[in-house]
Amino acid sequence: GDSVTQMEGPVTLSEEAFLTINCTYTATGYPSLFWYVQYPGEGLQLLLKATKADDKGSNKGFEATYRKETTSFHLEKGSVQVSDSAVYFCALRSGGGADGLTFGKGTHLIIQP
Amino acid sequence: KAGVTQTPRYLIKTRGQQVTLSCSPISGHRSVSWYQQTPGQGLQFLFEYFSETQRNKGNFPGRFSGRQFSNSRSEMNVSTLELGDSALYLCASSLKSSGANVLTFGAGSRLTVL
Repeated sequence: GDSVTQMEGPVTLSEEAFLTINCTYTATGYPSLFWYVQYPGEGLQLLLKATKADDKGSNKGFEATYRKETTSFHLEKGSVQVSDSAVYFCALRSGGGADGLTFGKGTHLIIQP
Repeated sequence: KAGVTQTPRYLIKTRGQQVTLSCSPISGHRSVSWYQQTPGQGLQFLFEYFSETQRNKGNFPGRFSGRQFSNSRSEMNVSTLELGDSALYLCASSLKSSGANVLTFGAGSRLTVL
């Protein structure tokens, strides 16, 4: 079946540091890929998405590129802020979508001032 | 534009009881799906409804059920509660039911089973 693997953390960085959160996946066919973010006490918010190979999703300074050859969708940000502290989830959904989203375990990111 | 609304936000039940959670999707969204979030298992897909029909169901026992009404609002029910059912239950809605469609999540209903 489909699966998503990501580093769980916690990942602790200083403000203005460069961020990379690795995400690799296993899926049949050509899934759509997503990054969601969850702040304490809240639900999930879509951060960005990519629906086909070589697509780059971007939002709020975050970027991720759909790499089919390495089955990866790594999240990056050039300069993190304290407000970026949250849990980040990589997810995929197969073409038909019938099985719902498959999530990674989540990466807890802590940004220190 | 109102988001996805889930009620209640918090509830406490005892083993053996049943619980019903409600979800109101974004206006115009016809697909509603449910997820369970626990520290141990992470986020797991429960089921999805589209136009009042269940499209698919995740790997959960029959104690977990749901339905969708003609106005797209959805409910999920868990019967004969077990301690392990303690979790955050998230509802998400989308315009259609397909892989590329973005799911918008509600804030969740946190269930504690004692």
